[in-house]
Parts: sequence; C-alpha cells; structure tokens
Amino acid sequence: AQKITQTQPGMFVQEKEAVTLDCTYDTSDPSYGLFWYKQPSSGEMIFLIYQGSYDQQNATEGRYSLNFQKARKSANLVISASQLGDSAMYFCAMREGPLGGSQGNLIFGKGTKLSVKP
Amino acid sequence: GAGVSQSPRYKVAKRGQDVALRCDPISGHVSLFWYQQALGQGPEFLTYFQNEAQLDKSGLPSDRFFAERPEGSVSTLKIQRTQQEDSAVYLCASSLLFRTGADTEAFFGQGTRLTVV
Repeated sequence: AQKITQTQPGMFVQEKEAVTLDCTYDTSDPSYGLFWYKQPSSGEMIFLIYQGSYDQQNATEGRYSLNFQKARKSANLVISASQLGDSAMYFCAMREGPLGGSQGNLIFGKGTKLSVKP
Repeated sequence: GAGVSQSPRYKVAKRGQDVALRCDPISGHVSLFWYQQALGQGPEFLTYFQNEAQLDKSGLPSDRFFAERPEGSVSTLKIQRTQQEDSAVYLCASSLLFRTGADTEAFFGQGTRLTVV
C-alpha cells in the first residue's frame, strides 16, 4: 500500500488565487512528521513546511499552510496568493517515528505539478 | 557555498560503464541520504549515513550500487555496470543530527541526472 498518496497529477491556478494540494498518508506509528517540498525545473528539492504528528496547531510558513486532519490522515498544502514562481512539482513526504524510519529517511508521494496562470 | 553540492549535474554513461556521483553536504551536517528519482516519480530512499557509518542501505536496488562516506563529509555513490533502468536523477540530502522528539528538515542538492544509453 502507498504510504503517501497525492491524487492530483496536475493542478492549474490563476495568479493571486489560493490553491490546495492534496496529500493522504498511511502509518501505524503514533509519531511521525509530514513535509512538503517544492521541486522547480532546476531539480533541487526546496523545503516548504513541516507538521509533527503531535502538533496541536496547523503549521504555517508565509504563504504556505498545512491543513492537518489527523483522523483523516490528510496533510493538504494550501498556497495563498499564488505567484507565477510557484509553478513547480510539489511533493508530500513523511518520516515515521521520533527518529524516523531508517534513521530519518523520507517517504515521498508521486507529486503534483502546479501551473500558475497569469 | 552554503548548500548541498552534487557533481556532475549531468552524466551520460554507456550501458556497462561504471559511474561515480559525488555529494558535498552542508558543513557540520551529520546525516546524509541518497535518493533515486525516476522520471515522473517522487524520490525513493537508497541509503543513509550518520557521519562515516552507513546505517541503512536497504534501499539500494542491487549489489551494483555502492555508497561511501569515508571521512564523514563528502559521499560518493558508485554504480557498477550501469543498466538502462539506472537512468534517473540521484539526489543527495543532508541534515543535522536530530534529537528524539524533534525534527529537522533535510536540505537537498540539485541532483545528478544519469542517463544510461
């Protein structure tokens, strides 16, 4: 079974509008961390936001916020006021356990390609 | 530079050739990870180092893949007798050693795009 599921292969959003990228996860470990990364065409993975499984509040980082619904095992990324530079691949990832599975490696979804239209 | 550096950025290898991919992590980062990213997919874990110790190599797809980090800083991923299915982007990431209950982000390099022809 997929540990991280991103059901949207591609998304379009109008510049200055908000967009939600979906992510569901599967784990039986009570302690885990959820991450979102942005991968532009240049190839590097850019960290955006992190949510710990015990965090009471949804994480926010500037225009990025994470809609964490623990019971539903979902961790959707919300980007407000989209900009043309937000066009990229977006990956949801999970690390299991307080020290992480395999000492902290990340398990990634297949990604969502976001295109921002002017 | 301050980030994770990988070289070469692009590598074309003939089938059967050996290749070596280099990763220079952020100075002081104890943890180092290698990932393989096939076209249109998310990265998949290959191996993990804590300083010079390779603590997990469960993701290496075959015994043709070998990684080392002899002095606990620069790491090399070597692929022997390359096959077409090895074509992918190889990403390196480093992070500070994290403590129980805390998490730190992993910083990624730009990757090496390997094409086996």
